[in-house]
Amino acid sequence: EIVLTQSPATLSLSLGERATLSCRASQSVSSYLAWYQQKPGQAPRLLIYDASNRDTGIPARFSGSGSGKEFTLTISSLEAEDIAVYYCQQRSNWPPFTFGPGTKVDIK
Amino acid sequence: QVQLQQWGAGLLKPSETLSLTCAVYGASFNNYYWSWIRQPPGKGLEWIGEINHSGSTDYNPSLKSRVTISLDTSKNQFSLKLNSVTAADTAVYYCVLSSNWRRGYFQHWGQGTLVTVSS
Repeated sequence: EIVLTQSPATLSLSLGERATLSCRASQSVSSYLAWYQQKPGQAPRLLIYDASNRDTGIPARFSGSGSGKEFTLTISSLEAEDIAVYYCQQRSNWPPFTFGPGTKVDIK
Repeated sequence: QVQLQQWGAGLLKPSETLSLTCAVYGASFNNYYWSWIRQPPGKGLEWIGEINHSGSTDYNPSLKSRVTISLDTSKNQFSLKLNSVTAADTAVYYCVLSSNWRRGYFQHWGQGTLVTVSS
């Protein structure tokens, strides 16, 4: 099973700042990695798939990069509506599809 | 527009069987994989398993011995059964779709059902 780790666990930033979230895989997942956003009381929402492709309707301030074992989700300018927990997830080797433990983004 | 509506019992006793159903609107069975994902309160996400339009299934090895996912194409519904539940199975359960060309990326989610296991 591929294990994903995320850092930091919590990221506290001011509105307008750049947010950089990391995801590391226990073995290479090529580019088969996604990012999800989950707000309190809501289901997760797919933001990025195949490491760098934004899903339909996702704002351009969200971008993904990386391949192999190291990945990054960047929010170029943090908005209040971006406060959420962000999960990475791999589909390179399954079953099972696996998720990281999440990074919580909040306002400083 | 794809919509998923799920339902099922929210309170179970240990050793009982969890049973949830998800109805899908606006999506053809042939174009998607149909998964269940759960999330214990305050914790992360765990993929339970999936089924495709032909009824082929894949399950998380950690749950495989207790899980059955089935579909009813005539009703555009799919279901989850989890046997012999314990408190560790307490979670919000989501039904989820991923398209054939993005299998394993979860694009459409149900509203979630909180299932609590308690004696």
